[in-house]
Amino acid sequence: KNEVEQSPQNLTAQEGEFITINCSYSVGISALHWLQQHPGGGIVSLFMLSSGKKKHGRLIATINIQEKHSSLHITASHPRDSAVYICAVPGSQGNLIFGKGTKLSVKP
Amino acid sequence: DGGITQSPKYLFRKEGQNVTLSCEQNLNHDAMYWYRQDPGQGLRLIYYSQIVNDFQKGDIAEGYSVSREKKESFPLTVTSAQKNPTAFYLCASNDAGGIGSPLHFGNGTRLTVT
Repeated sequence: KNEVEQSPQNLTAQEGEFITINCSYSVGISALHWLQQHPGGGIVSLFMLSSGKKKHGRLIATINIQEKHSSLHITASHPRDSAVYICAVPGSQGNLIFGKGTKLSVKP
Repeated sequence: DGGITQSPKYLFRKEGQNVTLSCEQNLNHDAMYWYRQDPGQGLRLIYYSQIVNDFQKGDIAEGYSVSREKKESFPLTVTSAQKNPTAFYLCASNDAGGIGSPLHFGNGTRLTVT
């Protein structure tokens, strides 16, 4: 069974700072998902990636398949980036295994 | 606009009562999922359905039941057999192929049982 570890659990940053959230998993995968959960509870899919790097606006996701590790970066962070960021990897039942999330708070 | 609608947003029930959470999608997705989220834990899969009239148990199906009579709808019933029903419940969907396509989530239903 795949295990997913995220770090840090909580992260506080000042507006404008560069943010990095890490995700490690135990079993080889075909693709990894990064999700964002807003304070109200709704979840949005940010990235699905299987190799290299993807960029969307100020968000960048990277993955190293050999090291079983992915990072989510936020450049020029803003208070509206405050959310819980979750990574997820495939499980054995054809579903996703989710990390516990990293709670990000960006102060103005 | 396409999306997933969960209702209600907040639900309160007395212990011993069954309660049904609604999930409707207009994304034409084949696969639908129910997840439970508890504080400090990752999302856990309750049930999923890859096609109409078929569904499978997830990791924590005990005390829950589902139906998939229509492609658009995947209601979840929390029965009185569920020992700790108070939680945040999220419905999701994606294209057939399961984990190979991004998940779309509803805004969730927060259930409180007293």
